[in-house]
Amino acid sequence: DTEVTQTPKHLVMGMTNKKSLKCEQHMGHRAMYWYKQKAKKPPELMFVYSYEKLSINESVPSRFSPECPNSSLLNLHLHALQPEDSALYLCASSEQGAGGANVLTFGAGSRLTVL
Amino acid sequence: RKEVEQDPGPFNVPEGATVAFNCTYSNSASQSFFWYRQDCRKEPKLLMSVYSSGNEDGRFTAQLNRASQYISLLIRDSKLSDSATYLCVVNRGYGQNFVFGPGTRLSVLP
Repeated sequence: DTEVTQTPKHLVMGMTNKKSLKCEQHMGHRAMYWYKQKAKKPPELMFVYSYEKLSINESVPSRFSPECPNSSLLNLHLHALQPEDSALYLCASSEQGAGGANVLTFGAGSRLTVL
Repeated sequence: RKEVEQDPGPFNVPEGATVAFNCTYSNSASQSFFWYRQDCRKEPKLLMSVYSSGNEDGRFTAQLNRASQYISLLIRDSKLSDSATYLCVVNRGYGQNFVFGPGTRLSVLP
């Protein structure tokens, strides 16, 4: 069982819909991440939150809007997506400590299809 | 040139074979290194962290050469269940900048 929980596992949406992906972790990790993964490609970083503040935005289009309501939760709000946004969206978390190696722990992912 | 590069693969090996994966990274400031495995349509899972002294976990051995900016993973006595994509991951510091290599696909054949 993964310690990072993502919902929903599958999502199909139209280009005019608004939907959200959710992620939760209870490991006390203070950094949370959204990655996008297309088939046969490695995960691509989208956003990083550190101590509930957005610390990295990899020039992601504004139709993707992240939110970190508290240290355990991370959301990704989706609006006016394009078919090419169809992918596996992975949430991850890591400790946020200096001097030691942070290790990413991934959730099982939300598979998004945009029609 | 990509910041993290891996053998292009795929590797098709018989059960019981020894297989080695290579990874190079270009950012000399990189501080921590990992191997993840990813099964088809699943999330990446940590296989092992890689330390300068090298480390071993059962059939798996990881090595790091900071001078050459090179990481390796050796799998001995391959099992069918080792079939997966192996991702080399480098952290540019001790923070949140994880960079993924493109991955190398391994198929272990009966």
